[in-house]
Amino acid sequence: KNEVEQSPQNLTAQEGEFITINCSYSVGISALHWLQQHPGGGIVSLFMLSSGKKKHGRLIATINIQEKHSSLHITASHPRDSAVYICAVSETSGSRLTFGEGTQLTVNP
Amino acid sequence: EAGVAQSPRYKIIEKRQSVAFWCNPISGHATLYWYQQILGQGPKLLIQFQNNGVVDDSQLPKDRFSAERLKGVDSTLKIQPAKLEDSAVYLCASSLGHHSPDTQYFGPGTRLTVL
Repeated sequence: KNEVEQSPQNLTAQEGEFITINCSYSVGISALHWLQQHPGGGIVSLFMLSSGKKKHGRLIATINIQEKHSSLHITASHPRDSAVYICAVSETSGSRLTFGEGTQLTVNP
Repeated sequence: EAGVAQSPRYKIIEKRQSVAFWCNPISGHATLYWYQQILGQGPKLLIQFQNNGVVDDSQLPKDRFSAERLKGVDSTLKIQPAKLEDSAVYLCASSLGHHSPDTQYFGPGTRLTVL
């Protein structure tokens, strides 16, 4: 079992839909990261959070430390949101990031 | 502010050949990471440097992979000899390194194909 599990693996939505991607982890963490990877490989950090909720534009990330679970929400989705969204955790035992396998999101016009 | 630079962007080699990748982190970033990302998987840390010292290389296949960051700035990752299963995207990332956890900034990656 991976230390970081994401669901779903693949997600297809229509433009304008509300999207949720989930992440569960099994290790002690100091922070959880959500990252976006576009075709071609470039990875951009979206959020780093250790409690509660953060919002940036149409993106919202939440974390429940007790349940070891985080969600990434996209409101009013747009085709340009199509990308792979990756959850990663900074383990308390060190600064290494442990990554989930990613969620491929496709938003159709 | 310039981002993390990597070269080359693409490389095709035959198995048993050698290859080297270069990374120049964001200016002032003390921590540098090399990741391997196999198609369909999340990145896996190969090695982490703090300035010119190695912090974590536990997942680096040391029989064929090596990396250095001699002056604590740019870094090279080498594979010698390459195997088919080394086909992947090699990502370099950097962070300030002043505290943990830290936001990492990723380069565009080098896509390696081993034939």
